[in-house]
Amino acid sequence: DAGITQSPRHKVTETGTPVTLRCHQTENHRYMYWYRQDPGHGLRLIHYSYGVKDTDKGEVSDGYSVSRSKTEDFLLTLESATSSQTSVYFCAISESEIAPSYEQYFGPGTRLTVT
Amino acid sequence: AQTVTQSQPEMSVQEAETVTLSCTYDTSESDYYLFWYKQPPSRQMILVIRQEAYKQQNATENRFSVNFQKAAKSFSLKISDSQLGDAAMYFCAYRRGNTDKLIFGTGTRLQVFP
Repeated sequence: DAGITQSPRHKVTETGTPVTLRCHQTENHRYMYWYRQDPGHGLRLIHYSYGVKDTDKGEVSDGYSVSRSKTEDFLLTLESATSSQTSVYFCAISESEIAPSYEQYFGPGTRLTVT
Repeated sequence: AQTVTQSQPEMSVQEAETVTLSCTYDTSESDYYLFWYKQPPSRQMILVIRQEAYKQQNATENRFSVNFQKAAKSFSLKISDSQLGDAAMYFCAYRRGNTDKLIFGTGTRLQVFP
């Protein structure tokens, strides 16, 4: 299994509070992604990174920001959480010297509830 | 924009039987990859099988195989000799050749009965 961890694994927070989710990899993969999973929508891309300090928006980026200051860490921040951001969040990684770029490996997910 | 459609929200199969999950996609690209991911109750996303668009031969991984119909933009997953451990959500996904972004379908929940 690819070495991907997400923290926290579960979080309950109140509307209007800031929240940061962390994705950490030990595989030296170049690309990192944040997805959210909601019933009836599958997984949708929020933001992704193609290198340190290089990030871009995905399909559902409104209300989210990201940062990648080190190869191994990709942070997702909800500046002011809303109930519509209640979801399961997945981090994924791809492309290293030994892993082909077309395969993405997923972390265990973070269940976020905004009350 | 590329889209992926899974028209079967739920499917069921008897243990040891065969089941086929459907997926269609829409793209104007010629270079792309297609994937099936499995998500068991643990929530972990597991890559089951992939298909390169330039390959005519259908991909096979043990009991899992695909029927890739490029002209029809169809990519179905066949599970043979179904096992109880195959029960999960299955997601079809598309990736354009020169990017790494995956576009997912909405998923099919597969139940396996003994």
